[in-house]
Amino acid sequence: GALVYQYPRRTICKSGTSMRMECQAVGFQATSVAWYRQSPQKTFELIALSTVNSAIKYEQNFTQEKFPISHPNLSFSSMTVLNAYLEDRGLYLCGARLGLGVREQYFGPGTRLTVL
Amino acid sequence: GDSVTQTEGLVTLTKGLPVMLNCTYQTTYSPFLFWYVQHLNEAPKLLLKSSTDNKRTEHQGFYATLHKSSSSFHLQKSSVQLSDSALYFCALTNSAGNKLTFGIGTRVLVRP
Repeated sequence: GALVYQYPRRTICKSGTSMRMECQAVGFQATSVAWYRQSPQKTFELIALSTVNSAIKYEQNFTQEKFPISHPNLSFSSMTVLNAYLEDRGLYLCGARLGLGVREQYFGPGTRLTVL
Repeated sequence: GDSVTQTEGLVTLTKGLPVMLNCTYQTTYSPFLFWYVQHLNEAPKLLLKSSTDNKRTEHQGFYATLHKSSSSFHLQKSSVQLSDSALYFCALTNSAGNKLTFGIGTRVLVRP
């Protein structure tokens, strides 16, 4: 079955510093990768969607300047949280789709970010 | 834009009883509905999916039927087990794009 790995699983950073997280699709090529944040007591907020052969599209309230994403190939994506503050804490999930005609996303276990 | 509504935040029930989790949605395009289950410290896993009106879909004892007339995709199980304790998310995408919109989630707690 499709597997999505995320690294690191947990990370702690000081307020104002940055941290990078990675998403790896194993066993399939992800035609699109979506990054979500699951904050305490909230559902999944879509940060950005990266689709093959298209520009990365950021949702309202999220910007490339704050959450730069790299999607160099069909099995790997990384996102950095720049200048992290308390409101950036949460579980960051990567969701990957197997093909352009496939609607469901397969998720990694997430990177839990704690900001001190 | 698209939206998904889950009315129950927490459902607590005893093992062996039936459960139904509500999910309604809004979209102006053809809908694709999903149920994801997230156990503690694990990735959300796809449980069910459907885009066919009035057709029941089943997996691992759970079932749901997409009803476009009422914009609903309620999740049901006839007899819950302790291992069903988890967070359940209803999610929607549509024919126009790739974005997946999630409901707020329902936490299910099954007691012995």
